[in-house]
Amino acid sequence: AQSVTQLGSHVSVSEGALVLLRCNYSSSVPPYLFWYVQYPNQGLQLLLKYTSAATLVKGINGFEAEFKKSETSFHLTKPSAHMSDAAEYFCAVSDHNQGGKLIFGQGTELSVKP
Amino acid sequence: DGGITQSPKYLFRKEGQNVTLSCEQNLNHDAMYWYRQDPGQGLRLIYYSQIVNDFQKGDIAEGYSVSREKKESFPLTVTSAQKNPTAFYLCASSRTGSLNEKLFFGSGTQLSVL
Repeated sequence: AQSVTQLGSHVSVSEGALVLLRCNYSSSVPPYLFWYVQYPNQGLQLLLKYTSAATLVKGINGFEAEFKKSETSFHLTKPSAHMSDAAEYFCAVSDHNQGGKLIFGQGTELSVKP
Repeated sequence: DGGITQSPKYLFRKEGQNVTLSCEQNLNHDAMYWYRQDPGQGLRLIYYSQIVNDFQKGDIAEGYSVSREKKESFPLTVTSAQKNPTAFYLCASSRTGSLNEKLFFGSGTQLSVL
């Protein structure tokens, strides 16, 4: 079965600093990979997705992620953090064995310090 | 505006009571999903439906029931058999349920036990 591991349940950065949120997956077949963001007391919004086209994927709000097959990773980055980026971020993988449902990581809470 | 509407935003359940969470979408999506979110555990799939009058169990279906009588509606009932129902419940939809599709989420229902 496929799975997703997000390294670090909490990440804190200063405003203007690089944001790096780590995600590793396990899959026996090429996966589809997603990053979602959740603001407090709200649902999730898609940031970006990888679907086997370009390995560097650009998303909304200046975020991007790079698919690295050799490292089974799909880390999320943003060059310069804004206060408005404070939220919880979820990495997810499509489960080919269960009809296209998403398997979510446990989430990483990003704090941005002024 | 198109989207997913979940109601109520907050719900309280008494011992031995069944409660129903509403989820309505006007996106004309075929597939709908229910997820449960607990702190530090990410999202876990309860039930999903890819077509009207059909649905499948997810990873944690015990103590829950659903129906899909209309394309736009996918209500979730939390039964008295669910011994630990306190959680944030998220409804989502996608156009066809394919592996690489974006999920659209509602804003969630927080269920607590009295």
